[in-house]
Amino acid sequence: DAGVTQSPTHLIKTRGQQVTLRCSPKSGHDTVSWYQQALGQGPQFIFQYYEEEERQRGNFPDRFSGHQFPNYSSELNVNALLLGDSALYLCASSFGLSDQPQHFGDGTRLSIL
Amino acid sequence: AQSVAQPEDQVNVAEGNPLTVKCTYSVSGNPYLFWYVQYPNRGLQFLLKYITGDNLVKGSYGFEAEFNKSQTSFHLKKPSALVSDSALYFCAVLGYQKVTFGTGTKLQVIP
Repeated sequence: DAGVTQSPTHLIKTRGQQVTLRCSPKSGHDTVSWYQQALGQGPQFIFQYYEEEERQRGNFPDRFSGHQFPNYSSELNVNALLLGDSALYLCASSFGLSDQPQHFGDGTRLSIL
Repeated sequence: AQSVAQPEDQVNVAEGNPLTVKCTYSVSGNPYLFWYVQYPNRGLQFLLKYITGDNLVKGSYGFEAEFNKSQTSFHLKKPSALVSDSALYFCAVLGYQKVTFGTGTKLQVIP
């Protein structure tokens, strides 16, 4: 039973570029949440997708956008990259909009030069 | 707004001794509380949760947590620490379908 998978594992971009990160949820899960974890910090909630719609959003600018596909997989897009976007981006999946714990992938390490 | 505080950046404990990692929270309504562990270059792994019921919650790897409503705390505990428990621990609260994490506590178990 595959858990949450994220790709790529590492990525290097320069300021102003655009990036797309991908996530496949754990089998049986239909809800995907994205988090940004800066070095030495806790994960910060970016947004959550359920039934292909953004359901909740944290305090992130519009440069951060996402999408969920009919197979429940998801993408995180970041435009006009800034140095401060360098972080570990974590995807988490769960079943429904409930109190069930989220299952996390190992993340994508994004470095902005 | 909901929030989580982990007052200790690092906790050091000798192997075999009991450990406690502290967490306090603020949320409207009934709290849904979680503990996760993160090993280097990995995602977060779920340890345990409190939704309702007994104030002492048992989780994975021998960890447990005590919910205290009056003190708005949810401290993580283990009776006997192992060197392999050394990792980064995060407390989290679920409110309005958003999960808010604390800043994390690094647990160092000394052989």
